Amino acid sequence: SQQGEEDPQALSIQEGENATMNCSYKTSINNLQWYRQNSGRGLVHLILIRSNEREKHSGRLRVTLDTSKKSSSLLITASRAADTASYFCATPSSNDYKLSFGAGTTVTVRA
Amino acid sequence: DADVTQTPRNRITKTGKRIMLECSQTKGHDRMYWYRQDPGLGLRLIYYSFDVKDINKGEISDGYSVSRQAQAKFSLSLESAIPNQTALYFCATSDPTGDEQFFGPGTRLTVL
Repeated sequence: SQQGEEDPQALSIQEGENATMNCSYKTSINNLQWYRQNSGRGLVHLILIRSNEREKHSGRLRVTLDTSKKSSSLLITASRAADTASYFCATPSSNDYKLSFGAGTTVTVRA
Repeated sequence: DADVTQTPRNRITKTGKRIMLECSQTKGHDRMYWYRQDPGLGLRLIYYSFDVKDINKGEISDGYSVSRQAQAKFSLSLESAIPNQTALYFCATSDPTGDEQFFGPGTRLTVL
């Protein structure tokens, strides 16, 4: 079964707007990772946030983690057409670091 | 050159055929993974290997087998392909921390 679930399933925004997507998970985690997938291609690691961190930034990306609510959010600021992709959260299992992926949020940035 | 490569990139085969998907990596990682991706279901783990002598089943291993020929090579086989194995297949690697997985470009498999 999937550990993480993203919300919404799909998101359409205008170029320049911000995009926010959420991830909920079920069990305790050491870290949570976000990945991007351009259409039909392999996933690319974006950012990792550890369980003792509440917020992390990387360029135009901002990730938050609320372990009490078992949720994380990914914010993409000032979106560009190149941000059009699917975004997945992933959480490692507690004992052997296998990653469990959610179903993803598909983001479309309109020019 | 890409760190994780997969061959073939696309394959169409018929029900009942045996097929092998290959994965090679130059990352020097011990850990390698095979996933399949279906629309709306995200990625599901088929098999994983933490070193050459270690093979483990993932959540959907039925109908699949793997071979870890070397640290750099991890192959996925479908012994007798069936149409519901039509999917996008990804190989990935990671270092022991598991802090990041590196994915190959994927193999699009169609079973008729």
